[in-house]
Amino acid sequence: DIQMTQSPSFLSASVGDRVTINCKASQNINKYLDWYQQKHGEAPKLLIYNTNNLQTGIPSRFSGSGSGTDYTLTISSLQPEDVATYFCLQHSSRWTFGGGTKLELK
Amino acid sequence: EVQLVESGGGLVQPGRSLKLSCAASGFTFSNYYMAWVRQAPKKGLEWVATISTSGSRTYYPDSVKGRFTISRDNAKSSLYLQMNSLKSEDTATYYCARRDYGSHYFDYWGQGVMVTVSS
Repeated sequence: DIQMTQSPSFLSASVGDRVTINCKASQNINKYLDWYQQKHGEAPKLLIYNTNNLQTGIPSRFSGSGSGTDYTLTISSLQPEDVATYFCLQHSSRWTFGGGTKLELK
Repeated sequence: EVQLVESGGGLVQPGRSLKLSCAASGFTFSNYYMAWVRQAPKKGLEWVATISTSGSRTYYPDSVKGRFTISRDNAKSSLYLQMNSLKSEDTATYYCARRDYGSHYFDYWGQGVMVTVSS
């Protein structure tokens, strides 16, 4: 089974900051990596699929990159509405989620 | 608009059974693989089951294999999860999710239904 290690677990940043969240797979997942945003009490929402494809309706300040085993979600300029927990998901072999990153405003 | 609405959750004793339902609308249900994903309180997400468009193929992680059964009724645009021999560690919010048509990621999720396994 593929394991996903997400870091950091917790992140505090200011409005306007550039924020990066990382996921590392236990083996090559061939860019089959997605990012989700989950606000308190809500269902996860797809942000990025297959490493760097922005889901329809998602602001362009969100972007994804990576290859092989290492992947990154970047928020170019943090907005107050971005406060949430972020998860990565590999779908190269079945499905495994990262542990999550809780993003708060400083 | 794609909508997925789960139901059937609640409090159940260890060792008992529970069946969850998910009503889908806003898309051609029979064209999509569907899945269940759960989230234990204050924990991360865990994939629970996936079913093919016809229902002929199902997939489970070892943590629920043999205890949980995913099924679907395309005529009713409904997805189900039969959960048997429930354990305290099955306590979680269960989400119904649609798998993207061309790829394998989950593009739409329901709001979730809470299942609590406790005596």
